[in-house]
Amino acid sequence: EDQVTQSPEALRLQEGESSSLNCSYTVSGLRGLFWYRQDPGKGPEFLFTLYSAGEEKEKERLKATLTKKESFLHITAPKPEDSATYLCAVQGTDTGFQKLVFGTGTRLLVSP
Amino acid sequence: DADVTQTPRNRITKTGKRIMLECSQTKGHDRMYWYRQDPGLGLRLIYYSFDVKDINKGEISDGYSVSRQAQAKFSLSLESAIPNQTALYFCATAEGGRGETQYFGPGTRLLVL
Repeated sequence: EDQVTQSPEALRLQEGESSSLNCSYTVSGLRGLFWYRQDPGKGPEFLFTLYSAGEEKEKERLKATLTKKESFLHITAPKPEDSATYLCAVQGTDTGFQKLVFGTGTRLLVSP
Repeated sequence: DADVTQTPRNRITKTGKRIMLECSQTKGHDRMYWYRQDPGLGLRLIYYSFDVKDINKGEISDGYSVSRQAQAKFSLSLESAIPNQTALYFCATAEGGRGETQYFGPGTRLLVL
């Protein structure tokens, strides 16, 4: 069964203090790994899709990387507006449809 | 205008009532999904549909039913609401293909008393 574990559950940073969020996964065959941002009371907002180990993608202060067992979301010089919950999800190849399995997220708070 | 809309955004109902949550999309995607989100449990799939004639159960479909009225519309019904169905409900759409990316609506917050 596909599984996703995110750590830490919560992270508090000072503005400008870079850090990384972790997403560990087990999947029989990886079709894709997804990162989403979710603000309180809102729907998840798509950030990145990674398809294979070694792949990296960047968007503003965010950079996502992928290995065969985990993905990292690196946040460089964060700002208060980066505060949100970051969700990781995987899509495996052994199901008959493209099901997303989500982790429970990392709540990020960036203080000015 | 938002690509994926959900109505209502908030709903309070009583145990035993039947309610419907609606989702509409302008992205032109064939695939639509319903999820619920509970604190500490993440997002879980209730139902999914690959086209108007294709409806499938997800991992937690008991107590729910769906209707795909058109390519752009996918409704979720709670036949007889119970308190443990209190949750955030999200609709999502996807166009399929490699590493299918799903795009989520703003959600409906449901409280069952």
